[in-house]
Amino acid sequence: EDQVTQSPEALRLQEGESSSLNCSYTVSGLRGLFWYRQDPGKGPEFLFTLYSAGEEKEKERLKATLTKKESFLHITAPKPEDSATYLCAVHGQGAQKLVFGQGTRLTINP
Amino acid sequence: DTEVTQTPKHLVMGMTNKKSLKCEQHMGHRAMYWYKQKAKKPPELMFVYSYEKLSINESVPSRFSPECPNSSLLNLHLHALQPEDSALYLCASSQANSPLHFGNGTRLTVT
Repeated sequence: EDQVTQSPEALRLQEGESSSLNCSYTVSGLRGLFWYRQDPGKGPEFLFTLYSAGEEKEKERLKATLTKKESFLHITAPKPEDSATYLCAVHGQGAQKLVFGQGTRLTINP
Repeated sequence: DTEVTQTPKHLVMGMTNKKSLKCEQHMGHRAMYWYKQKAKKPPELMFVYSYEKLSINESVPSRFSPECPNSSLLNLHLHALQPEDSALYLCASSQANSPLHFGNGTRLTVT
C-alpha cells in the first residue's frame, strides 16, 4: 500500500530564515510526486510534479527535489506570504488515486 | 483565481434538505473528481469521473450522489446529510498523467 509521511507537522520560521519540508514515501513504482500549497479556506494550488530520482524543480523561493525514498521542498529566504499548508502526494504505478500526506503547516513571521 | 469554478462558496443546510454543489472547468480535462476535506486533514477522495463515466466511488454513502452532465460540469447532489458531513468539498480536474487542478471548494455546514 502506498504511503506518504510529511514532517514536520508544523514549522514556524522568521522571515528570511531558510528551511526544508520533508515528504517520505513508499510506493510500488512512482508515476509522479506532487507538491501543493493550500491557504486556509481555499483549494490546493499545484506547485510541482517530480517523476524520477534526481529531478529538481524551482519556482521563486521554492525548490523541490526527489530521491527514491523522499522529496524535499526547500524554502529560501521565505516571506510572510509563503505561510500556508504544503501538501505532498504520490501516484503509484497501478494506483487509481493520489495518496496525500498529512501536510506541513508553515508560518513565516515578519 | 482558479480554472476550476465551484458554486456555491458556502452552504448551510438542514438534515432534511436537498441541495447540490456545482463544479465547472474549461481546460478540456476529461477526468473530474470530488474530494472531501476536514479541518487540518488532507483531501479525501470521494468520486472520480473519467470521460463522463463514474470510474471510482470510494464507498461513499448514498446520501451523496454525483452527476457528470458533460465533460465540463460535475455536480454533487446532497440529501439527508448528517452534521459530521460538514466539511470543505473540493472539485478537481486533470488530463491523463497531469496534476490535479483544484477549485476553491464549497464550505458545507449541516445543522
